[in-house]
Amino acid sequence: EVQLVQSGAEVRKPGSAVKISCKVSGFTFTDYYIHWVRQAPGIGLEWMGLVDPDDGETLYAEHFQDRLTLTADTSTDTAYMEMSSLTSDDTAVYFCTTATVTTSLREFDYWGRGTLVTVSS
Amino acid sequence: DIQLTQSPSFLSASVGDRVTITCRASQGIRNNLAWYHQKPGKAPKLLIYAASTLQSGVPSRFSGSGSGTEFTLTISSLQPEDFATYYCQQVNSFPRTFGQGTKVDIK
Repeated sequence: EVQLVQSGAEVRKPGSAVKISCKVSGFTFTDYYIHWVRQAPGIGLEWMGLVDPDDGETLYAEHFQDRLTLTADTSTDTAYMEMSSLTSDDTAVYFCTTATVTTSLREFDYWGRGTLVTVSS
Repeated sequence: DIQLTQSPSFLSASVGDRVTITCRASQGIRNNLAWYHQKPGKAPKLLIYAASTLQSGVPSRFSGSGSGTEFTLTISSLQPEDFATYYCQQVNSFPRTFGQGTKVDIK
């Protein structure tokens, strides 16, 4: 069974950073990209970027280019999302997700349950 | 970036109704479009990929069509578990983008 298990909720102050984990099981970690998508309260879905666990290559949405770091640890089959310089606009649920062979390898067929990040002074 | 515009944004319907949601892309994306639905507090769930291919395990009352810039998701007979918010997503290019969502409510 494929599972993406995310770390728990976080509370941060403005200007600080947060790092969320996403532990994968049920498939070979290095076979598929891990994407991150966020959803602000009452708002839609926003794609943030992806990491290729096989070689560590990343691709970021321009909106997050300067303060987002996506990494993957193949020794623990865990992907990480780290974002710095947080503001209240970053208060959102953050999802890790992946696109595997059940689709055309582009659409997100497996998702984590989401991690709520609250940014408040 | 490719913009996706869904219509309507809100839809009230009854169990058994036929429901259609439209997604328009700001430029041609061939058939590289997916549909998801999402219930409160849950992750999105993939329904349709490649514009018209039903994801494994998804009921056949869901169908998708379209190509280029205009796409539709149809639910042939709305069931109680279908009340949710629906999103389209383009997977033609990066950055991946989503429509703003269509909330399907109980009439």
